[in-house]
Amino acid sequence: AQSVTQPDIHITVSEGASLELRCNYSYGATPYLFWYVQSPGQGLQLLLKYFSGDTLVQGIKGFEAEFKRSQSSFNLRKPSVHWSDAAEYFCAVGAGNTDKLIFGTGTRLQVFP
Amino acid sequence: GAVVSQHPSWVICKSGTSVKIECRSLDFQATTMFWYRQFPKQSLMLMATSNEGSKATYEQGVEKDKFLINHASLTLSTLTVTSAHPEDSSFYICSASWRANTGELFFGEGSRLTVL
Repeated sequence: AQSVTQPDIHITVSEGASLELRCNYSYGATPYLFWYVQSPGQGLQLLLKYFSGDTLVQGIKGFEAEFKRSQSSFNLRKPSVHWSDAAEYFCAVGAGNTDKLIFGTGTRLQVFP
Repeated sequence: GAVVSQHPSWVICKSGTSVKIECRSLDFQATTMFWYRQFPKQSLMLMATSNEGSKATYEQGVEKDKFLINHASLTLSTLTVTSAHPEDSSFYICSASWRANTGELFFGEGSRLTVL
């Protein structure tokens, strides 16, 4: 069965610092991988996705993520965090033949000035 | 990008009443929509898959008689929480499939239900 683990429940960084949010997945075949961001009381916005090809994926708002099959990971990175990046971040995995996604438990990012 | 809208954004109701939440895809047709439930500070739990013109597919453990889903058109799915109780209080989010079987989903803003 598919599953997603986000080991970090809460991360705090200073504005301008680099960021890496961890995501590990469990899936038998090549997964479809996603990162979503959720602001308080809002729905989710897609940051980036990996389907195939280049394992380093660029997304919106300066985010990128790298798919590492050997580590079953899809970590999200940003070189310089802005205060507006404070939000909840969800990693998700999906199968290729369905739109059903399994979400991780989320990582809450707090940014200090 | 594609827009999905939910209404109402938040609703308060008395225990025993029914509440309907709408999910609309505003600028595209969605043959499939998904309904999730999110508890405070927790992840999204998929409740059901809503298919236009057919019965919804519910995830294990979700009461289909409690959470009625109707997908009458390609742009509208509704979730009705019947005979609501305080334990049904939650944040309900819908998503719509932009292109089938790609995992590319657009999410509504969510609807917060509080049952007194």
